[in-house]
Amino acid sequence: GENVEQHPSTLSVQEGDSAVIKCTYSDSASNYFPWYKQELGKRPQLIIDIRSNVGEKKDQRIAVTLNKTAKHFSLHITETQPEDSAVYFCAAMGFKTIFGAGTRLFVKA
Amino acid sequence: NAGVTQTPKFQVLKTGQSMTLQCAQDMNHEYMSWYRQDPGMGLRLIHYSVGAGITDQGEVPNGYNVSRSTTEDFPLRLLSAAPSQTSVYFCASRTPTGIPNYGYTFGSGTRLTVV
Repeated sequence: GENVEQHPSTLSVQEGDSAVIKCTYSDSASNYFPWYKQELGKRPQLIIDIRSNVGEKKDQRIAVTLNKTAKHFSLHITETQPEDSAVYFCAAMGFKTIFGAGTRLFVKA
Repeated sequence: NAGVTQTPKFQVLKTGQSMTLQCAQDMNHEYMSWYRQDPGMGLRLIHYSVGAGITDQGEVPNGYNVSRSTTEDFPLRLLSAAPSQTSVYFCASRTPTGIPNYGYTFGSGTRLTVV
């Protein structure tokens, strides 16, 4: 069946460094790719998204890139801050929605 | 506009007990869904609904029932709780395809422990 692989499962970076999280999807019908941030004990919240007709989207310190041919998309966080520490989920949406397993990001001050 | 309201936030059940997790949204979304979140496994779809009177199974439906009598409400029923159902449960609604900010709005979650 369709799936979304997300890597790495855990990522630890120093404050100010960049963090990159990658997702690979299998369903060719997927055309929308959101990223969610989930702080400890809180609900997932949408932080950025990209549609299949766009290759890159940026919003301040976060950006998402999409390679539809290779079926992978990535979240880039620059100048990381301690408040970026959270679990990040990718999703591939088309006829179905499949979530990645999540990446726990630790930003060390 | 409260978004998605989910209750209770915490619940402890004994094996074999039944209970209903409540979910309500005030955004007039047709699509609603229930997910369970377990460590290292992300969000897994239990049941979903594309509109009032219509429900369907997701990836892990066994042991759960849903109903959708109104657009606003989508309760999840645990029929006979088992320790394997210990998890965090999220209700979510979704905007229609193609509009700006398309995507899911999640409830605040229910942490369920079955002993």
